[in-house]
Amino acid sequence: DTGVSQDPRHKITKRGQNVTFRCDPISEHNRLYWYRQTLGQGPEFLTYFQNEAQLEKSRLLSNRFSAERPKGSFSTLEIQRTEQGDSAMYLCASSLVPNTEAFFGQGTRLTVV
Amino acid sequence: GENVEQHPSTLSVQEGDSAVIKCTYSDSASNYFPWYKQELGKGPQLIIDIRSNVGEKKDQRIAVTLNKTAKHFSLHITETQPEDSAVYFCAARARGTSYGKLTFGQGTILTVHP
Repeated sequence: DTGVSQDPRHKITKRGQNVTFRCDPISEHNRLYWYRQTLGQGPEFLTYFQNEAQLEKSRLLSNRFSAERPKGSFSTLEIQRTEQGDSAMYLCASSLVPNTEAFFGQGTRLTVV
Repeated sequence: GENVEQHPSTLSVQEGDSAVIKCTYSDSASNYFPWYKQELGKGPQLIIDIRSNVGEKKDQRIAVTLNKTAKHFSLHITETQPEDSAVYFCAARARGTSYGKLTFGQGTILTVHP
């Protein structure tokens, strides 16, 4: 068990490009969460999955954002037509129902230039 | 929805002193309150949590207190050490939602001077 793993750690992209991030949760964790954290702020909830089902999406998740967890293991978060306002740290977390703790990964820092 | 306010935004203490960080929440239905520590370039790490049926919880130098009536909870760190320097976040989870769906405070930058 190596913890929640996110890839890449850093991504610089030009405005208008599409980007995709990957999250590998802790093995056997059935819940997976995506958060966004801007500089100087706490993480903000975006969406979560139980196994492969996406159970909830925040209003923060615009139609340019899409997340998947096709086999109930790793997850991807795609941002289409990136904007400068998308620059942030994207955090992934996982937990095992019915336990409470959510464990976070190191995050992917996105910079849109 | 839930709103969590955290104070102070920065806190500077001398090694060995105590540090206290306070949070208030708006949703009286919230029943789970974790605290996370985030070091530079890393993701948040859970350090302690408390549920609404408990008023206080302690783990070595760290303690959390909860006042449901006033809707506030606090983190207490005793005998601070330089390695305690980090950003600390409180969070709240509303009853009926997933335990990992959290509303975070704005964070407190704690600096412990040797």
